[in-house]
Amino acid sequence: QVQLQESGPGLVKPSETLSLICTVSGYSISSGYYWGWIRQPPGKGLEWIGTIYHSGSTYYNPSLKSRVTISVDTSKNQFSLKLSSVTAADTAVYYCAKSREMASVSDAFDIWGQGTMVTVSS
Amino acid sequence: SYELTQPPSVSVSPGQTASITCSGDRLGHKYASWYQQKPGQSPVLVIYQDNKRPSGIPERFSGSNSGNTATLTISGTQAMDEADYYCQAWDSSYVVFGGGTKLTVL
Repeated sequence: QVQLQESGPGLVKPSETLSLICTVSGYSISSGYYWGWIRQPPGKGLEWIGTIYHSGSTYYNPSLKSRVTISVDTSKNQFSLKLSSVTAADTAVYYCAKSREMASVSDAFDIWGQGTMVTVSS
Repeated sequence: SYELTQPPSVSVSPGQTASITCSGDRLGHKYASWYQQKPGQSPVLVIYQDNKRPSGIPERFSGSNSGNTATLTISGTQAMDEADYYCQAWDSSYVVFGGGTKLTVL
């Protein structure tokens, strides 16, 4: 079955760039589906960051678009998130997730990673 | 920007029916999805495309969507259903989540 695993530094300094990787197992990213990043600040709700297709097409949250880059590396079966100029407000659990339908960007996310906590602090 | 509004909390007695609403402009013209999240766990998809249940989700979970409101209904609510619930929709090339509803079973 498809599994997703987030990885990356748990602590990032203010003004620096947060970088995370989502490794997909049990399915080849190059075969389809949309892949997303979602975050959740401590004690708060879910916030969508962005979504990428295996071809590289991207969709970003307008409120984060100027700071976000999502890319895909099909050779490693991974997709990644970069968030620049971070502040304490970017402290959150970051999840990667897979779309339920293979070719529908607007569909729900049916498989989620376990999440990784990222703290922004000096 | 598009917004989805949920009540912060809903309470229900065991065995009763819980209804959680999600409101947004012309939401009925979009597909709504629902996620369940228990403390310390990742969200789990419980309803997609308004009223469809993924494999493994109990039949007591159902959904509807019309007008400006989508509703998640849990029939015969069990203690294990106590969790946060989030609605989600897609609007103009981006994903929107509701603020979440804490369901308390007491």
